Amino acid sequence: AQKVTQAQTEISVVEKEDVTLDCVYETRDTTYYLFWYKQPPSGELVFLIRRNSFDEQNEISGRYSWNFQKSTSSFNFTITASQVVDSAVYFCALNFNNNAGNMLTFGGGTRLMVKP
Amino acid sequence: DTGVSQDPRHKITKRGQNVTFRCDPISEHNRLYWYRQTLGQGPEFLTYFQNEAQLEKSRLLSDRFSAERPKGSFSTLEIQRTEQGDSAMYLCASSLGAGKTEAFFGQGTRLTVV
Repeated sequence: AQKVTQAQTEISVVEKEDVTLDCVYETRDTTYYLFWYKQPPSGELVFLIRRNSFDEQNEISGRYSWNFQKSTSSFNFTITASQVVDSAVYFCALNFNNNAGNMLTFGGGTRLMVKP
Repeated sequence: DTGVSQDPRHKITKRGQNVTFRCDPISEHNRLYWYRQTLGQGPEFLTYFQNEAQLEKSRLLSDRFSAERPKGSFSTLEIQRTEQGDSAMYLCASSLGAGKTEAFFGQGTRLTVV
């Protein structure tokens, strides 16, 4: 069975602090994709990144970076120099039935509050 | 607007009534997904269409739920004899191709059963 665990339910930081959101997953598949989505108060899930299980290179996109470690089944997300606009709920997700693409198992989410 | 569109955005209904939601995916996307999200939780997968074929259904989708995508474009999700436990946000997403592309989500339909 697949499972995604986001142990941090809520994180509060002050603007310009760095923050890391943890994600641990379980799967029996050898090929899979991991995702991060952002859900602002408007409710729409915004895609941030997709990572193939064979690609363990870390990725950086502006203030965002992701650390994928297959050995520990983790896919952590770091925001550098956080801003108030980063306040949202962040979800880590894992796809199942790879042929279907985006049938996803989501974690419970981490609510990030960035205070000015 | 070329994103995923869902209608209505909010729906309040009395227990026992039937409700229907509509999702219009991004036009060239052949894959469409429905998810349900209860308060404070992550989305849970309900069902998946490839074109007009419904290829996967979660066990969460009881016999009171039915989804269609008649012409491989828009989709509807109907809930019959609604129960208070059906209160949730219903999210639709679409994607192009298999696992190599990401899904784009709509803003959801928030259902409240009173």
